[in-house]
Amino acid sequence: EAGVTQSPTHLIKTRGQQATLRCSPISGHTSVYWYQQALGLGLQFLLWYDEGEERNRGNFPPRFSGRQFPNYSSELNVNALELEDSALYLCASTPLLRETVAKNIQYFGAGTRLSVL
Amino acid sequence: EDQVTQSPEALRLQEGESSSLNCSYTVSGLRGLFWYRQDPGKGPEFLFTLYSAGEEKEKERLKATLTKKESFLHITAPKPEDSATYLCAVRGPGGSYIPTFGRGTSLIVHP
Repeated sequence: EAGVTQSPTHLIKTRGQQATLRCSPISGHTSVYWYQQALGLGLQFLLWYDEGEERNRGNFPPRFSGRQFPNYSSELNVNALELEDSALYLCASTPLLRETVAKNIQYFGAGTRLSVL
Repeated sequence: EDQVTQSPEALRLQEGESSSLNCSYTVSGLRGLFWYRQDPGKGPEFLFTLYSAGEEKEKERLKATLTKKESFLHITAPKPEDSATYLCAVRGPGGSYIPTFGRGTSLIVHP
């Protein structure tokens, strides 16, 4: 069974540009979570999508946005890139919301390394 | 606000030298404490979930324990392949289902 897949692996942009990151969850998983992991920092929660809807948002500016498609894959868009946006962006997925009450185990992809020059 | 503090930030061990990693947490009603392993440039890999004080989980050379205020990840006779960053996360009550992660402990095991 395929795990969480993210693309691209690496992304190099210049300040002010837009970046689009993609995530495909594990088959059967409907929830997708996005995290930012900057060097030396812990995982910072960005966005949570479930069943196509945005369920929760972390403490990030509005230029961080995303969406979830009918097949449960997801995109993270970062507009007006700034140097401090350089980080590893991780996507995680979990099964149907009601099934995760007890377990809530998030399965992570390998991430997209975004470098803003 | 949920808080997670991991210590030490970095740990260097010789192969076979057992030790423990600490995860101290503050949460109003624990709904789960999670341990992950993260290799450089990769996503976190799930290791354990603990739900109540006194609970223990084991996997190969790793053993996780939980009290009301902290969790320990014990590493027995570590090998170089155990080198990684170990992350701890907690989830509290409420409908957000979003865990709070600590900054991790970077473990290096020398042969």
